[in-house]
Amino acid sequence: DAGVTQSPTHLIKTRGQQVTLRCSPKSGHDTVSWYQQALGQGPQFIFQYYEEEERQRGNFPDRFSGHQFPNYSSELNVNALLLGDSALYLCASSLKIGTGGTEAFFGQGTRLTVV
Amino acid sequence: AQSVTQLDSQVPVFEEAPVELRCNYSSSVSVYLFWYVQYPNQGLQLLLKYLSGSTLVESINGFEAEFNKSQTSFHLRKPSVHISDTAEYFCAVSGNNNDMRFGAGTRLTVKP
Repeated sequence: DAGVTQSPTHLIKTRGQQVTLRCSPKSGHDTVSWYQQALGQGPQFIFQYYEEEERQRGNFPDRFSGHQFPNYSSELNVNALLLGDSALYLCASSLKIGTGGTEAFFGQGTRLTVV
Repeated sequence: AQSVTQLDSQVPVFEEAPVELRCNYSSSVSVYLFWYVQYPNQGLQLLLKYLSGSTLVESINGFEAEFNKSQTSFHLRKPSVHISDTAEYFCAVSGNNNDMRFGAGTRLTVKP
């Protein structure tokens, strides 16, 4: 089992550009959540996808958008990048929304640096 | 919405000493509580979780945490720490919709 895989591992972008990050969930998982972890801080919830729809969203602007594909993999898109978007972006997968208490498995993250 | 407060940003201890990492949560609904550990340049790994039943939960590497509903706490403890326990520890809470919210983290540094 490959677990949760994210790509790329590192990325450098220029302010104003757009970026797409990718996540493949753990085998058998159908729910993907995205988190932003700034240096020295805890992960902040961006949004969660289930059945190809955004089900929940944290306090992030519309510049942050996502997508989930039929195979449950997911993308996170960030438009008009700001210096403050520099962070580790973590993807977590879990099984079935609504059951509560499901363990989330995390990928290694994508380190995004905006210059 | 749920939220978590980790009361200590850094905890330095000597090897073989006991440690407690504090976590308080707030929620208006049923909660599920988790502790995750993060080693440098890595993702988060689940350490232990409380879903229901016994309020004391244990991990395979000697950590334990106790769910205290009256004090809305879920403190993490280990009676004797090792150098290899040096890491960032995150307390998290989720509800029935699985939107997990994390605390700011506690950096545990174990010194020889």
